[in-house]
Amino acid sequence: DIQMTQSPSSLSASVGDRVSITCRTSQTISKFLNWYQQKPGQAPKVLIYGASTLQSGVPSRFSGSGSGTDFTLTISSLQPGDSATYYCQQTYTTPYTFGQGTKLEIK
Amino acid sequence: QVQLVQSGAEVKKPGASMKVSCKASGDIFSSSDIHWVRQAAGQGPEWMGWVNSVSGNTGPAQRFRNRLTMTWNSSIDTAYLDLYGLRSDDTAVYYCVTSQFQQWGQGTLVTVSS
Repeated sequence: DIQMTQSPSSLSASVGDRVSITCRTSQTISKFLNWYQQKPGQAPKVLIYGASTLQSGVPSRFSGSGSGTDFTLTISSLQPGDSATYYCQQTYTTPYTFGQGTKLEIK
Repeated sequence: QVQLVQSGAEVKKPGASMKVSCKASGDIFSSSDIHWVRQAAGQGPEWMGWVNSVSGNTGPAQRFRNRLTMTWNSSIDTAYLDLYGLRSDDTAVYYCVTSQFQQWGQGTLVTVSS
């Protein structure tokens, strides 16, 4: 199975800050990577697919980059509603594994 | 777009079986695979497998292969997840998800407890 390592596991930032979350995979996956946002009591919501394609309806302050084994989710200007847990997922090969999550808190 | 509506919460005893349904509506043919993903409290999601709504073919994750069945009933556009030999660590919210992981069901909490 492909292992997914996210960092950091948690972070705290202020409104307006630029934040980045990284995801490293145990083997190359080209650009077969999704990013999700999950709020308590809700299903995960896809933000980015194909490593860098913004899902329709997602604000443009979210962006994704990377290919191969190293990927980054960036929020350019943090908003209060961005408080959530963020996950990466590889869809290169089954089983489609997820990262352990990054909990983002707004100060 | 496809909308997915799942069955309600269940409580099961260890060793029992569970069955979760997932009713699809909308542009079903744009998403022929339905995935099943579960998430235990405080944990990341875990992919369990897929079922194809056209062929009925399935692809379970290896770790569930001996106790997982996924089916699709084309007459009512509904996917089913059956998990057998339940253990306490099967306690989780179970989600059905469209083929590109873009649409998720609302989730079904299954609690396994004696």
